[in-house]
Amino acid sequence: NAGVMQNPRHLVRRRGQEARLRCSPMKGHSHVYWYRQLPEEGLKFMVYLQKENIIDESGMPKERFSAEFPKEGPSILRIQQVVRGDSAAYFCASSLPLTVMNTEAFFGQGTRLTVV
Amino acid sequence: KNQVEQSPQSLIILEGKNCTLQCNYTVSPFSNLRWYKQDTGRGPVSLTIMTFSENTKSNGRYTATLDADTKQSSLHITASQLSDSASYICVVTRMDSNYQLIWGAGTKLIIKP
Repeated sequence: NAGVMQNPRHLVRRRGQEARLRCSPMKGHSHVYWYRQLPEEGLKFMVYLQKENIIDESGMPKERFSAEFPKEGPSILRIQQVVRGDSAAYFCASSLPLTVMNTEAFFGQGTRLTVV
Repeated sequence: KNQVEQSPQSLIILEGKNCTLQCNYTVSPFSNLRWYKQDTGRGPVSLTIMTFSENTKSNGRYTATLDADTKQSSLHITASQLSDSASYICVVTRMDSNYQLIWGAGTKLIIKP
């Protein structure tokens, strides 16, 4: 059973370009979370998605950022018109539906975005 | 406000020594608290989970404690090894209509030989 797969592992974009980060959850997991981690800082929650549904996007910047988790295929985090401040590691995690007995999220290896 | 605060922000100790990391939270309603270990450049991995009724739980050289009354948790590492160098993140699950994970900023632990 493969773990959470993120690709690409490293992504370099020029200012103004678009960045698309992909996350394939663990088999059987229907919940996906995206986090951003700036250098030397902790993980910051961005968005929580179920299949075809955004549950909580309270951590997403209001502009340029969007996320989706379609019925088929990976979850995509999309950053339009990237700026230098978007340079960070973006981690995806997946889980079964969270319940009292199950609250573990499993993480991918992250995508390191560098904006030049 | 639902928050998780960790201390210290960073810690350097010599190999073989013990250390304790702290986590204070104001999350309500509380479901459980989990400690993650994040090696540099990798995703976090769960070490241990504490529910409301549990005071202590061990995983090898890692021992977590939880005081639900004072809303504090600690992670004690015994006989540290170089491989313990990592960030340790405290995560509290908030139990509402949609379970929410509230993350601390982490403690960066460096073990020196």
